[in-house]
Amino acid sequence: DQQVKQNSPSLSVQEGRISILNCDYTNSMFDYFLWYKKYPAEGPTFLISISSIKDKNEDGRFTVFLNKSAKHLSLHIVPSQPGDSAVYFCAASAIDSWGKLQFGAGTQVVVTP
Amino acid sequence: NAGVTQTPKFQVLKTGQSMTLQCAQDMNHNSMYWYRQDPGMGLRLIYYSASEGTTDKGEVPNGYNVSRLNKREFSLRLESAAPSQTSVYFCATRLGGSNQPQHFGDGTRLSIL
Repeated sequence: DQQVKQNSPSLSVQEGRISILNCDYTNSMFDYFLWYKKYPAEGPTFLISISSIKDKNEDGRFTVFLNKSAKHLSLHIVPSQPGDSAVYFCAASAIDSWGKLQFGAGTQVVVTP
Repeated sequence: NAGVTQTPKFQVLKTGQSMTLQCAQDMNHNSMYWYRQDPGMGLRLIYYSASEGTTDKGEVPNGYNVSRLNKREFSLRLESAAPSQTSVYFCATRLGGSNQPQHFGDGTRLSIL
């Protein structure tokens, strides 16, 4: 069963506006959450992460929010830029799991001029 | 600074052939991982090595074997390739400890006819 779910396969946003990507999880043992960005023919690149003791983490244009009670996290990109067009993967790892990651299926983001 | 290097980048095999995918890192990371990515799906863990000298199964290990040759190198072997193993394979590394992200190579695209 899929423990990390990204229910939106695609998202189109205008340049300069906010992109919001959502992710839900089912495993209450997850304690570390990550977002990766992937361009075609390249490997995933680490973007931002958050541990379960926090509810928000910010890095430049990227902010991740964690709602543990709802088992939901989101990634906000403000402002969106053309170079942000990529597939974004949500991932999670559990306590004492040697860092093994469970990935969502990804969301394709297209930033239009 | 190469980071995580995977070889080859592309390979076509016939059913029943064997092959080894190579992964080498210069990040001095302790843990290494092999994932596969299929269309419309997130990455799924095949095998991992928490530290030099140890390996363990992930979510989808059937049909694969691994070797952690030394701290730098982690190889993935297909003993008798099957069409269902057509995929993109990613190697990743992680420093170790808590709340550390994984860093990925650019992948090997493998087609089995």
